[in-house]
Amino acid sequence: DAGVIQSPRHEVTEMGQEVTLRCKPISGHNSLFWYRQTMMRGLELLIYFNNNVPIDDSGMPEDRFSAKMPNASFSTLKIQPSEPRDSAVYFCASSFRTSGANEQFFGPGTRLTVL
Amino acid sequence: SQKIEQNSEALNIQEGKTATLTCNYTNYSPAYLQWYRQDPGRGPVFLLLIRENEKEKRKERLKVTFDTTLKQSLFHITASQPADSATYLCALDPGAGNNRKLIWGLGTSLAVNP
Repeated sequence: DAGVIQSPRHEVTEMGQEVTLRCKPISGHNSLFWYRQTMMRGLELLIYFNNNVPIDDSGMPEDRFSAKMPNASFSTLKIQPSEPRDSAVYFCASSFRTSGANEQFFGPGTRLTVL
Repeated sequence: SQKIEQNSEALNIQEGKTATLTCNYTNYSPAYLQWYRQDPGRGPVFLLLIRENEKEKRKERLKVTFDTTLKQSLFHITASQPADSATYLCALDPGAGNNRKLIWGLGTSLAVNP
């Protein structure tokens, strides 16, 4: 039973380049979350989708960041152009939203380094 | 604004002892409080949650308490083992509502020494 799948696991790029991170949520889950994690700021929610629709993108740092969810089994997070301060671990998580609790299942993360 | 705090310093304990981690919050009334474990190089893993109307929840060697008056949750690991060494994160869950985003603590690093 596959969990949340993310690719690539590691990405090293130069400042100014476009970066695309990919996520496949757990089948049957209807909510998807993109997080960024750094030592200083911990886990920060960037954006989350419910039934493929963006619900809250208030955490997206600036216009350089964009996210899409074209269908229930795939999402992308794009950074264009990338900057050194974007270096962090990016996690995708999914959950099955009900009226109850909202435990989330995380992927292994993508470690992004922008030189 | 909403604020959530966990023990900022790493916790070092001897194998077999009980580890107690703290999660405090302000300006928020969560419906649930969740605890996750994170190992280096991996994503957080859900451990257990407690509802606002529950005082205590247990799962094997884990115990969570929730005091909505003090706005505090305590996470206990009894009979700790070196394999319990990890970072533990707490998260506030608003429960029902259109915006279901969790509010995360920075985590507490636990080291269990053999």
